[in-house]
Amino acid sequence: DSGVTQTPKHLITATGQRVTLRCSPRSGDLSVYWYQQSLDQGLQFLIQYYNGEERAKGNILERFSAQQFPDLHSELNLSSLELGDSALYFCASSLEDSPNYGYTFGSGTRLTVV
Amino acid sequence: KNEVEQSPQNLTAQEGEFITINCSYSVGISALHWLQQHPGGGIVSLFMLSSGKKKHGRLIATINIQEKHSSLHITASHPRDSAVYICAVIPWGGSQGNLIFGKGTKLSVKP
Repeated sequence: DSGVTQTPKHLITATGQRVTLRCSPRSGDLSVYWYQQSLDQGLQFLIQYYNGEERAKGNILERFSAQQFPDLHSELNLSSLELGDSALYFCASSLEDSPNYGYTFGSGTRLTVV
Repeated sequence: KNEVEQSPQNLTAQEGEFITINCSYSVGISALHWLQQHPGGGIVSLFMLSSGKKKHGRLIATINIQEKHSSLHITASHPRDSAVYICAVIPWGGSQGNLIFGKGTKLSVKP
């Protein structure tokens, strides 16, 4: 157990639907990062939150949004789902937003859109 | 051309062999990560480097900032080392999480 908890582990849903992925960071970590891993694109950075505020955005589609709550857990919302959104979605956390601190990854949520 | 290139893409080794995985990048960076992803999908951060060399058990990671190159070495490889190894960089001026990933090297160690 890495200390970063992602739920659910697996999710199957239909095109056009909306889903919410949840991430609880390691205790004490203020930064949460979301990544998408697909077969064709590999791993891509989506978005980062630090202590409740959006800190950086990567290749996140407009249909996707995220937030970090006061208790520091984060949710990634994916809407109007398409077949191409099928991927592994990882969350990672770190103590601070600095290259001096390492990351801890969650075990991922496998999303299948049918 | 990808900003982070790894070689080889696939690697098969016999147990006990010394293994080297290479990573070259084309952007200025503040740090480089080596990650391990097991067949179950989970990702573990092995090393974060900004200069020099780090060692943890049988794993050694080196980086040459001038040459924009890093290597991951595994000594006395074991079947449990079978995994995908991913190099990722933090570009200069970027947020710590804004990683650019290589496509990974799939390592299979045979007993």
